[in-house]
Amino acid sequence: DIQMTQSPPSLSASLGDKVTITCQASQNINKYIAWYQQKPGKAPRLLIRYTSTLELGTPSRFSGSGSGRDYSFSISNVESEDIASYYCLQYDNLNTFGAGTKVELK
Amino acid sequence: EVQLVESGGGLVQPGRSLKLSCAASGFTFSKYGMAWVCQAPTKGLEWVASISSGGGNTYYRDSVKGRFTISRDNAKNTLYLQMDSLRSEDTATYYCARHRYTTDYFDYWGQGVMVTVSS
Repeated sequence: DIQMTQSPPSLSASLGDKVTITCQASQNINKYIAWYQQKPGKAPRLLIRYTSTLELGTPSRFSGSGSGRDYSFSISNVESEDIASYYCLQYDNLNTFGAGTKVELK
Repeated sequence: EVQLVESGGGLVQPGRSLKLSCAASGFTFSKYGMAWVCQAPTKGLEWVASISSGGGNTYYRDSVKGRFTISRDNAKNTLYLQMDSLRSEDTATYYCARHRYTTDYFDYWGQGVMVTVSS
């Protein structure tokens, strides 16, 4: 089974900051990583697939990059609506989520 | 509009069974792989099980193998999760989710249904 190590578990950001979340896979996942946003009491929302492809409707301040085992997700110019938890998902071999990152306002 | 609506959750005693359903609409259900994803209270997301579009292939996380069964009825546009020998650690919100292709990422999610395993 592929394990996904996501960090940090939480972070505090001011409006307008750039934040970055990382996920490391236990093996090469060939860029098959997606990123989700989840707000309290709501279902997750797909933001990015295949490392860096934004889903329709995802604001351009969200971005993703990486290859092999190491991937990152960034939000530039954090807005209040971005306060949420974020999860990576590998789909190279079945599915594994990272543990999540809670983004809070400083 | 794609819609996934789960039902069947509730309070159940340890060792007992529960069957979840997910009614799909707004897309050709028989063309997509489907999955269940769970989230324990205040915890992260965990993939539980997936099923291919025709139902011939099923996949499970290790902790539910032999206890949970995923199935589908393409004539009724419905996904199921039969949960047997339930444990307290199965307590979670269970989401029905659509795979974009086979067993890759999830593009649509239901609103979730709560399952509480407690005596």
